[in-house]
Amino acid sequence: AQSVTQPDIHITVSEGASLELRCNYSYGATPYLFWYVQSPGQGLQLLLKYFSGDTLVQGIKGFEAEFKRSQSSFNLRKPSVHWSDAAEYFCAVGAGTSGTYKYIFGTGTRLKVLA
Amino acid sequence: ETGVTQSPTHLIKTRGQQVTLRCSSQSGHNTVSWYQQALGQGPQFIFQYYREEENGRGNFPPRFSGLQFPNYSSELNVNALELDDSALYLCASSWDQETQYFGPGTRLLVL
Repeated sequence: AQSVTQPDIHITVSEGASLELRCNYSYGATPYLFWYVQSPGQGLQLLLKYFSGDTLVQGIKGFEAEFKRSQSSFNLRKPSVHWSDAAEYFCAVGAGTSGTYKYIFGTGTRLKVLA
Repeated sequence: ETGVTQSPTHLIKTRGQQVTLRCSSQSGHNTVSWYQQALGQGPQFIFQYYREEENGRGNFPPRFSGLQFPNYSSELNVNALELDDSALYLCASSWDQETQYFGPGTRLLVL
């Protein structure tokens, strides 16, 4: 079955520290992978996506993610966190079935940033 | 270029009532997908519309229905509301089945 696991429900980091949010997926074919960010009361903003090619992808706001097929992972990283990065982060896999292309989301990781 | 918009932003209904949520897709997009996000959860796929036809459905009962109009805007209708329908409803648009861009959502509270 197709699924996405985000093992960390909450993460707290100090401003200026590095960040890594974990994402593992289960999908039978080559996955399309996404990271979205959701601020309180807001919709989802696309941070970055992986379709094919270079396994290290750059996104907005200084984020990057690395696709590792052998580990079925797509972890999100940022070298130096800003207080404005506090939000909830969702990893998703794009799954195509019988002509329908939908996203399967993880349960999210809530990031808290300490000043 | 305008992004995805949704209306209303918030809604309060009582059990058994019906509700209609609206979504305007991003300019140039022909596909609209709807997701339900319960509190503390990731979004769950409800269904997708492509060129005015339902193009796939998630594990939601038939009382969840939708429409897509010739301008690619869309409605989500929920009949016989239940308490568990309280959630943030997200609309996402895309060109064919590529990257989906989400609206701000409609928060529905069922009392």
